[in-house]
Amino acid sequence: GAGVSQSPSNKVTEKGKDVELRCDPISGHTALYWYRQRLGQGLEFLIYFQGNSAPDKSGLPSDRFSAERTGESVSTLTIQRTQQEDSAVYLCASSLVLASYEQYFGPGTRLTVT
Amino acid sequence: SQQGEEDPQALSIQEGENATMNCSYKTSINNLQWYRQNSGRGLVHLILIRSNEREKHSGRLRVTLDTSKKSSSLLITASRAADTASYFCATVSSASKIIFGSGTRLSIRP
Repeated sequence: GAGVSQSPSNKVTEKGKDVELRCDPISGHTALYWYRQRLGQGLEFLIYFQGNSAPDKSGLPSDRFSAERTGESVSTLTIQRTQQEDSAVYLCASSLVLASYEQYFGPGTRLTVT
Repeated sequence: SQQGEEDPQALSIQEGENATMNCSYKTSINNLQWYRQNSGRGLVHLILIRSNEREKHSGRLRVTLDTSKKSSSLLITASRAADTASYFCATVSSASKIIFGSGTRLSIRP
């Protein structure tokens, strides 16, 4: 079956512009995660959705970052007024129920802010 | 700092040798997972070990978990060129909070 997909695969934007990144999780997976990975670094947790529960937003670095998820399907991560420090690969992952299960990662969106 | 810290940060070995990577963490966990990442894009799940397990095998992979020392190790036996990648441990708390370490970059020399 289809895995996790993300779009766009690459995004170059000017400082100050808003960007929207999309994640399509595996059908039936109720948990969805967003991570940020700077070059040569580990993964930074951003936000976690679990079913209809309130999302865990504890990892969002500033109020410029927000994310939504429609039911148990698509999620979008929005970064407003982008800064050069936002340049990174943004990874989305989904899992069957909770993080007690393995996560399936998408290929990521490489964001470059010029 | 990150919950999971991998050690070493980088490892270079000859093809056919075994590679061992370690992960240390600070708080109690529900389970610990190991992932591989090629070319800085998506991660691939390798193995999950629960807090009540001490050792787990999957093909050429062997993972150990010592909850008293809050540490885990990943052993790759008979390494191959295709094993060249970054390896990350991820700890999962009982509240489903998942934290990734900074990773070990493994290079296999032919």
